[in-house]
Parts: sequence; C-alpha cells; structure tokens
Amino acid sequence: ELKVEQNPLFLSMQEGKNYTIYCNYSTTSDRLYWYRQDPGKSLESLFVLLSNGAVKQEGRLMASLDTKARLSTLHITAAVHDLSATYFCAVDIGAQKLVFGQGTRLTINP
Amino acid sequence: KAGVTQTPRYLIKTRGQQVTLSCSPISGHRSVSWYQQTPGQGLQFLFEYFSETQRNKGNFPGRFSGRQFSNSRSEMNVSTLELGDSALYLCASSHQGGPINEQFFGPGTRLTVL
Repeated sequence: ELKVEQNPLFLSMQEGKNYTIYCNYSTTSDRLYWYRQDPGKSLESLFVLLSNGAVKQEGRLMASLDTKARLSTLHITAAVHDLSATYFCAVDIGAQKLVFGQGTRLTINP
Repeated sequence: KAGVTQTPRYLIKTRGQQVTLSCSPISGHRSVSWYQQTPGQGLQFLFEYFSETQRNKGNFPGRFSGRQFSNSRSEMNVSTLELGDSALYLCASSHQGGPINEQFFGPGTRLTVL
C-alpha cells in the first residue's frame, strides 16, 4: 500500500527564516501535488509537479520533485505570517486517486 | 469560471440516519472525486466518477455510496451513520483529457454525527 509521509508534522518558525517541508512516498509516481489548507477551509492548489526534476516557484514558496528518490520538497523563503497554514502533499497513483500525506501544520510567528 | 460547489455546507445528523451530499463540478469537468477528512485518519479517497461510472473506490464500507448524473453533478450517500463518520467531506473535479488532470476542491461539507 502506498504511504506518503511528510515531515515535520508541526513547524513553528519565525518570520524571515527559511525552512523546508519534506514529502516521501513509497511507490513510483511522476505526478505530485502540493495543497494549502487554512483552518476550516478547503484545499487550495499550490503546485503541480509532473516529472522528475520539476521545480515550481510562486512567491516565497518553491516545490521540487525527485521521482528517483521518491521525494518532494516545499521550501519556504523568508517566511511571513500569511503563510501560516497546513500544507499537504498528494501523490497521484492514477484514476484520479490522490494519496495524501499527513499534513504539516506551519505556524509563523512575528 | 465558477469553482466546485458543495451543498449543504454543514449538516448535523444522529446515529443511524442517512445523509446525501451534493457536488457540482467546474463547468466542463467530467471527473468528480470524493474525499473524507478527519483529524485521526487525515484525507482519504472515497471514490471517483467519470461519465456517470464509478471508476475507482477507496477502502470504505458499503454504507458509503455515490453516483454521478449526466450533467456531471455528483452525490454521495452515507447510510446508517456512525459517530466516526463525522468529518469534512470534500469533492474535487478535474477536466480529464489534458496532461495535468489537476483536481480542484470544493469548500466541503462538514458532517457532524451525534
């Protein structure tokens, strides 16, 4: 059974600092998504990574995918309070089935 | 373009009752997937429909069922509700046919079972 593991699960950081969230998965896939969820809200799509070596950037967030290592990273640069949320990675295993990681709850303190 | 819509947004039911949730996909999207989100189990895939056919199903009991209509709108039904069915139910739609097949999520229906 496919496992998708994120770490850390909880991350408290200061504004202005950099950090990385890791997403490891246990089966072959070349399609991975990152989503953001605010408390009580739905999932907002952040990045779609479709191939080995894919790198996408939007503002202070950058995501990458290494399909050989079965690893994706979400890097936060110079964090700001507005980025506080829970971040999920999800692996597409076909037929529109996404397997999600546990989520990383990110808190950014002034 | 309007996003994915789900109704109702909140529901309170008692054990043993049944419930029907509705999802309207983005216009032109023919695939609808359903997910359950709970604090303990996280986000779990329920099932996916395309052109009125269930193509994929997650590991949930038969009390969970769904269907899709010719206009791509989808409903899911949970019968004989249990306390553990309390969750946020999310539906997602995708276009199917392009290289990305990205899923776009609706706002969810929060179900509370008492």
